[in-house]
Amino acid sequence: DAKTTQPNSMESNEEEPVHLPCNHSTISGTDYIHWYRQLPSQGPEYVIHGLTSNVNNRMASLAIAEDRKSSTLILHRATLRDAAVYYCILRDRGRDDKIIFGKGTRLHILP
Amino acid sequence: DAGVIQSPRHEVTEMGQEVTLRCKPISGHNSLFWYRQTMMRGLELLIYFNNNVPIDDSGMPEDRFSAKMPNASFSTLKIQPSEPRDSAVYFCASSLAGLASDTQYFGPGTRLTVL
Repeated sequence: DAKTTQPNSMESNEEEPVHLPCNHSTISGTDYIHWYRQLPSQGPEYVIHGLTSNVNNRMASLAIAEDRKSSTLILHRATLRDAAVYYCILRDRGRDDKIIFGKGTRLHILP
Repeated sequence: DAGVIQSPRHEVTEMGQEVTLRCKPISGHNSLFWYRQTMMRGLELLIYFNNNVPIDDSGMPEDRFSAKMPNASFSTLKIQPSEPRDSAVYFCASSLAGLASDTQYFGPGTRLTVL
């Protein structure tokens, strides 16, 4: 399975944008890039996913590099409720539905 | 929609006892997943079902673990006999069609403590 590399932790100030990076240099042409997050004492929740083009939804934006070897999850205006572990995951659309979670990035939001 | 429902939310048991965790997926979802989360190993996929059929159980740690899905609205994960190293949070998730583009929806988890 293609792997992702994320920083262990990041800090950001409340109400400022946050850019969470993810490297996936061995990505294949059929891999989707998914982001999930896990708030304290909760199960993971879906944030966003994309294949080649940048994506926006009500939670975040996903910027995908032209060569697809990296991507960035953008929280436009972080709040204290965004403090969580963020997981960047590759999922092969030609295979089954498994999600393999890595260690993720623990995001701390400073008031 | 109630989301994925898991019960119990907390379970404390003694070593050697049988433990049964329960999950009700979101109505209409065809895939169901069991995960385990510990500090040491993070989130691990144990087993998943598609249309009630187990597809991949390679993550099940050993024969003490078993999972069933008798119908589309119910699944169980059983540990018999339980051991202290099984202490973890167990999550159930479901998705619509079992495709890599599908969103997985997670339940709140069951925190299991084996004494």
